[in-house]
Amino acid sequence: SQQGEEDPQALSIQEGENATMNCSYKTSINNLQWYRQNSGRGLVHLILIRSNEREKHSGRLRVTLDTSKKSSSLLITASRAADTASYFCATPAGGYNKLIFGAGTRLAVHP
Amino acid sequence: GAGVSQSPSNKVTEKGKDVELRCDPISGHTALYWYRQSLGQGLEFLIYFQGNSAPDKSGLPSDRFSAERTGGSVSTLTIQRTQQEDSAVYLCASSGAFHRGAYNEQFFGPGTRLTVL
Repeated sequence: SQQGEEDPQALSIQEGENATMNCSYKTSINNLQWYRQNSGRGLVHLILIRSNEREKHSGRLRVTLDTSKKSSSLLITASRAADTASYFCATPAGGYNKLIFGAGTRLAVHP
Repeated sequence: GAGVSQSPSNKVTEKGKDVELRCDPISGHTALYWYRQSLGQGLEFLIYFQGNSAPDKSGLPSDRFSAERTGGSVSTLTIQRTQQEDSAVYLCASSGAFHRGAYNEQFFGPGTRLTVL
């Protein structure tokens, strides 16, 4: 079963605009991760935020975590056409770091 | 050296046939995971290996699915008597040894796209 639900399901923006994606989860977590997937194939790890953190930055990425609302957001600033991809949040579960993924947000950035 | 590799990249098979999907993890990574991604969906956990043992097989959808890992390296996911609903992208990931309370980044392979006709 999926741990996270993401919205929007799809997002279409112009280059230079900011893109915000949201993720909600159901159970307690010790961290939450965001991944990017190009062309429906391999995933690339973007950023991890721990449960005791509220905000984290990495380049043009900004992630927030609100454990009281069981939600996280990923902000991509000054988007580029190369950011076009699907973005997934994931949380570890089962005590073995197996990842439980949300359904993802498909981002399209138009030149 | 190289990242996680998977073969074949694409597999088309007929309903009822058996298929084997292969994963070569990053050298030295003791943890290996299989996930499945149906069209337009997120990833679904299938099975986790630590070394050659599989302490968590809870995600395997039926007894038609099995996986093994030999030599603490290569893993094979086998689907017997394939059904159309097995069509999906099967992704493999590896990471360093699991330590409770710590995080080891999972590195994903490019996946195998399975189509069952």
